[in-house]
Amino acid sequence: GEDVEQSLFLSVREGDSSVINCTYTDSSSTYLYWYKQEPGAGLQLLTYIFSNMDMKQDQRLTVLLNKKDKHLSLRIADTQTGDSAIYFCADAFTGGGNKLTFGTGTQLKVEL
Amino acid sequence: KAGVTQTPRYLIKTRGQQVTLSCSPISGHRSVSWYQQTPGQGLQFLFEYFSETQRNKGNFPGRFSGRQFSNSRSEMNVSTLELGDSALYLCASSTSGPKPEQFFGPGTRLTVL
Repeated sequence: GEDVEQSLFLSVREGDSSVINCTYTDSSSTYLYWYKQEPGAGLQLLTYIFSNMDMKQDQRLTVLLNKKDKHLSLRIADTQTGDSAIYFCADAFTGGGNKLTFGTGTQLKVEL
Repeated sequence: KAGVTQTPRYLIKTRGQQVTLSCSPISGHRSVSWYQQTPGQGLQFLFEYFSETQRNKGNFPGRFSGRQFSNSRSEMNVSTLELGDSALYLCASSTSGPKPEQFFGPGTRLTVL
């Protein structure tokens, strides 16, 4: 089946850029997503990218997709303390419907 | 528009009991998916319902079941609870339109003692 991998932790200083990386195995992925989870909360959809795109920008967020290497990244510009959370990438099942395969999540810690 | 709502938010049960969780999707959304989140296994897909029919199913035992009503509200049921069923259960709703956005509810925290 599909597999999605992420590094577990990332620590950055406030004001710096954060880059969270993700690799996936399903070469026929259609959509890839980034979600944010704060303590005790559900998942907040940040952005998604269609597999025929290389890049998508949405305010402070930039998503880069390298389909050849099956690598996805999320860049957060001017990282703030409120960005501290767990970030999940997810791959949409290509067999129809809305099934998502999630990565392990990357805990982002923003230090002053 | 109101977001995805899940009830109850917290639940404590004992082994062997059964439990029913409820999810109300965003108005107009016809697809509801359920996920289990645990520290050890992460986020795992349980099943998806669309127009009252199960469209996708994850690799969970038959103790986990679900259904969807004509108003798109969904319930999931876990019978014969085990300690390992303690988890955050998340529900997601989405449209069947061109935008593949899936929105999650706050989850139900189930503790099995």
